[in-house]
Amino acid sequence: DVKVTQSSRYLVKRTGEKVFLECVQDMDHENMFWYRQDPGLGLRLIYFSYDVKMKEKGDIPEGYSVSREKKERFSLILESASTNQTSMYLCASSRGQNGGYTFGSGTRLTVV
Amino acid sequence: AQSVTQLGSHVSVSEGALVLLRCNYSSSVPPYLFWYVQYPNQGLQLLLKYTTGATLVKGINGFEAEFKKSETSFHLTKPSAHMSDAAEYFCAVSAPPNDYKLSFGAGTTVTVRA
Repeated sequence: DVKVTQSSRYLVKRTGEKVFLECVQDMDHENMFWYRQDPGLGLRLIYFSYDVKMKEKGDIPEGYSVSREKKERFSLILESASTNQTSMYLCASSRGQNGGYTFGSGTRLTVV
Repeated sequence: AQSVTQLGSHVSVSEGALVLLRCNYSSSVPPYLFWYVQYPNQGLQLLLKYTTGATLVKGINGFEAEFKKSETSFHLTKPSAHMSDAAEYFCAVSAPPNDYKLSFGAGTTVTVRA
């Protein structure tokens, strides 16, 4: 069964900490995405990558960075966590164009 | 740029009744349209998608959606609701040249009454 795996389901971090969210897919997909999900706002794109070492900003990149050193892994980095980054973070991958996404189960991050 | 509007953040239906979730999109070029479902504490799962061809699309779990270009709509329906349909549903759109990137609506939460 193909999968997108997010390393943590729940995380609690302190304000100012550097936070790493990891995502791994086993489908050899070119495209990988990080979204955050907040009630009433749906999913908002933070960053995406269409190839190794390639990245593009999404709609809300401020306060975040990403890394894609290998095709199967896409990391989201919060350089200095703040309380307004408390959210559900979803990773997804897709093949080529027009394809549907495969999502991970999400990481619920709380910044205190 | 494309965008999606889902009408109604919450929908409550009786078991056995019709489920209708509304989605309107804006796009300057022919879009690709998707519906996803999210069960509690899970990621999103693809229900169905429209890319080209037949405008009535059938998906999993008895859901279907119809692409109506004249109305810029892609409403999701299911003839008879089951308790297991209680979830949050998201409509999404992509369009060239960025057709590998999806824009999502705000979501509609469905509650099914016994």
